Amino acid sequence: AQSVTQLDSQVPVFEEAPVELRCNYSSSVSVYLFWYVQYPNQGLQLLLKYLSGSTLVKGINGFEAEFNKSQTSFHLRKPSVHISDTAEYFCAVRRSNDYKLSFGAGTTVTVRA
Amino acid sequence: DAGVIQSPRHEVTEMGQEVTLRCKPISGHDYLFWYRQTMMRGLELLIYFNNNVPIDDSGMPEDRFSAKMPNASFSTLKIQPSEPRDSAVYFCASTKPGQGMETQYFGPGTRLLVL
Repeated sequence: AQSVTQLDSQVPVFEEAPVELRCNYSSSVSVYLFWYVQYPNQGLQLLLKYLSGSTLVKGINGFEAEFNKSQTSFHLRKPSVHISDTAEYFCAVRRSNDYKLSFGAGTTVTVRA
Repeated sequence: DAGVIQSPRHEVTEMGQEVTLRCKPISGHDYLFWYRQTMMRGLELLIYFNNNVPIDDSGMPEDRFSAKMPNASFSTLKIQPSEPRDSAVYFCASTKPGQGMETQYFGPGTRLLVL
């Protein structure tokens, strides 16, 4: 079975500063990788996904992530954050031949002015 | 499209009562997923359906939980009898094969509190 580890539970960051959220996964088979964002009292929204091809994936709201197969990582980055980026971020993985998503524990990002 | 619709948004009940959560997937989506989110366990997949048929219910915690999908536009998750440890946010999500099927679209969730 696949699993996901998000290395940081909380990340405080100042407005306009860069942020990186770390995600490592383990799987014995080919996987797809995802980052979701959850704003307070809302459902999850897809930020970006990696299925195949270029290892640098660009998503919505200026986020990007890089798939590193040798390191089994899929870290999320944004060069300059806004107050509105305050949310919880989830890394998720699923096998390419299945639809079951496994989520990490989440990283809470708090952006301060 | 209105997105995935869940009702109720909030539910407070007493231990031992039956609870029914409802979900309407996005039209045309033939995969439907039920998740539970708690502080202790994070986001867990409970069950998912394809074309109204349950495919994998290995995440359903115990016999007190049951889920049905009588048609393509409606699903229920029932807890009977409910217990305080069932308190959580329950999300429904849907997707479809082909274009964007890797993307699961989540509803806003039902926040359940069992007293």
